[in-house]
Amino acid sequence: DQQVKQNSPSLSVQEGRISILNCDYTNSMFDYFLWYKKYPAEGPTFLISISSIKDKNEDGRFTVFLNKSAKHLSLHIVPSQPGDSAVYFCAASGSSGYSTLTFGKGTMLLVSP
Amino acid sequence: DVKVTQSSRYLVKRTGEKVFLECVQDMDHENMFWYRQDPGLGLRLIYFSYDVKMKEKGDIPEGYSVSREKKERFSLILESASTNQTSMYLCASSPPLGKGSAAYEQYFGPGTRLTVT
Repeated sequence: DQQVKQNSPSLSVQEGRISILNCDYTNSMFDYFLWYKKYPAEGPTFLISISSIKDKNEDGRFTVFLNKSAKHLSLHIVPSQPGDSAVYFCAASGSSGYSTLTFGKGTMLLVSP
Repeated sequence: DVKVTQSSRYLVKRTGEKVFLECVQDMDHENMFWYRQDPGLGLRLIYFSYDVKMKEKGDIPEGYSVSREKKERFSLILESASTNQTSMYLCASSPPLGKGSAAYEQYFGPGTRLTVT
């Protein structure tokens, strides 16, 4: 059973516009959420995170919003740049007692000039 | 900067071979992880270790084993490689909760693309 879902396999956006990547989760024990970015032939790199006690976290062009009641989070990238083209993974933790992460399947973002 | 290195970027092995994938981290992290990434399936946790000689099964441990004899090194072993183990293998490490730049943040290596023929 998939506990972290990214229902959009891909997203295309024009440079300068906003990119919104969505993520849903089913396990109410998750209390920490992270976004990772992955370029081809490289390992994922950490982008931004949010604790369940917050509803928003911002870092430069990247903002993550958390709606606990809906079990939904989103990553906003404003403005989008061609270098943002990558696969974005949503991850969640806090349910196992260990420092493990449960990842979604990823969304491929393509930002065109 | 945290550095996680993996012994090979690309590897081709034959069915039935024993395969060792090595991972080394230089930040004295307690936790280490092995994932595989497949198209449309995301990252799936195979095994993890929270201390030397300790190991825990992840979501898909079947067909794999691990070894952690030293804190900085975590090995993934395919006892008898099969074609369905063709995948990208990613190693990661993280400090204990309460340390590091962000809770639960994991640092990944560049990955090993394994092909089993």
